[in-house]
Amino acid sequence: QSALTQPRSVSGSPGQSVTISCTGTTNDVGDYHYVSWYQQHPGKAPKLIIYDVSERPSGVPDRLSGSKSGNTASLTISRLQTDDEAYYYCCSYSGGFSLVFGSGTEVTVL
Amino acid sequence: QVQLQESGPRLVKPSETLSLTCSVSGGSIKSYYWSWLRQPPGKGLELIGFLSNSGTTNYNPSLESRVTISVDTSENQVSLKLSSVTAADTAIYYCAAYSNSCSCLQTWGQGTLVTVPS
Repeated sequence: QSALTQPRSVSGSPGQSVTISCTGTTNDVGDYHYVSWYQQHPGKAPKLIIYDVSERPSGVPDRLSGSKSGNTASLTISRLQTDDEAYYYCCSYSGGFSLVFGSGTEVTVL
Repeated sequence: QVQLQESGPRLVKPSETLSLTCSVSGGSIKSYYWSWLRQPPGKGLELIGFLSNSGTTNYNPSLESRVTISVDTSENQVSLKLSSVTAADTAIYYCAAYSNSCSCLQTWGQGTLVTVPS
């Protein structure tokens, strides 16, 4: 299966909002409500921040939100903070006991 | 929530088998599906494969002929074996717990860098 498509990078100033798109197909993002997002700071392991398209695990601030429309999922980071600088990966269930990942997006806080 | 710790050789010679172990603590190994992922230096994440708690496996087609993922419930460990390695297999290898309750990789190990010299 092909990787989900994400922008290579997005940037914003502190306090602003940024949105990362994640485009798949009718075989993954478009067909399942099982989209998750992971945040990875340099040198660290990925961390789950969104699951089931828009649910946040305990401890994840509500500045981070997820949504989906058709074959495209999105992650929005509101009120951008310096600690939000990281790579973000989307992931979708793709049937047959498998997952497909996005290529990753670097978020830069200007 | 479970904690995961990967361990194994950091340097593997070309053509040999990479063997890693993921030690699981703080929860039941039977409560999760288990996966291994890897991340070549400076690149994105790649799913290596899954093992369900019923023993079903699903491996990345590009690696399937060389990969084995298994669980030792008595030792609370998940294992990865990747045979016939080349320099292209150099990466940080992560163990992750997949939860059906969120259909997501809920917990990750810290990762371990494995180098295969060219």
